[in-house]
Amino acid sequence: GDSVTQTEGPVTVSESESLIINCTYSATSIAYPNLFWYVRYPGEGLQLLLKVITAGQKGSSRGFEATYNKETTSFHLQKASVQESDSAVYYCALGDRDSNYQLIWGSGTKLIIKP
Amino acid sequence: DAGVTQTPRHEVAEKGQTIILKCEPVSGHNDLFWYRQTKIQGLELLSYFRSKSLMEDGGAFKDRFKAEMLNSSFSTLKIQPTEPKDSAVYLCASSRDREDERLFFGHGTKLSVL
Repeated sequence: GDSVTQTEGPVTVSESESLIINCTYSATSIAYPNLFWYVRYPGEGLQLLLKVITAGQKGSSRGFEATYNKETTSFHLQKASVQESDSAVYYCALGDRDSNYQLIWGSGTKLIIKP
Repeated sequence: DAGVTQTPRHEVAEKGQTIILKCEPVSGHNDLFWYRQTKIQGLELLSYFRSKSLMEDGGAFKDRFKAEMLNSSFSTLKIQPTEPKDSAVYLCASSRDREDERLFFGHGTKLSVL
């Protein structure tokens, strides 16, 4: 079936260090997967961080990057130097270009940034 | 733009009660989603509306869960009767249309069923 697996949290990183949150997906019934990272900052609703709809392409936002790798079925989220304001819960999600309403969500990764 | 507004933020219900959760989507958005979030199951889609028409009614959630969209700016999710296993955070989200897939979420309603 279709599924998303991401790094189990919480993940604790010191400020200015690099970050990677792993996301792998299985899209057995989806011909054209779209991949998303959503984020929920403390006190706010979930919001889109970045999305990529074409294999091999990279999405970026707020210093975060993720590359859609079809060979390894991965969409890892990376940032070279984190800030305290990056503390949040990050969700990887898999969508279907032909049926965009049904997203398959990862379980979320809580990121804690140590000052 | 005002974001997605959900009320109430917290709800406590006795087993067997009927509760109604409310959602106002972002103005001008045509798609509206109701999700349930728990630690074990994560985010689960309950209902999906496109231009006020129900497109997805959540399969396994059909028997006690009913979402309605009375107009383009207001939706409700009724749970009747509630059970303790319904304790979760209920999230409402909206998006502009099929071409713009970005989901905008509300803060959610935390439901506790005793």
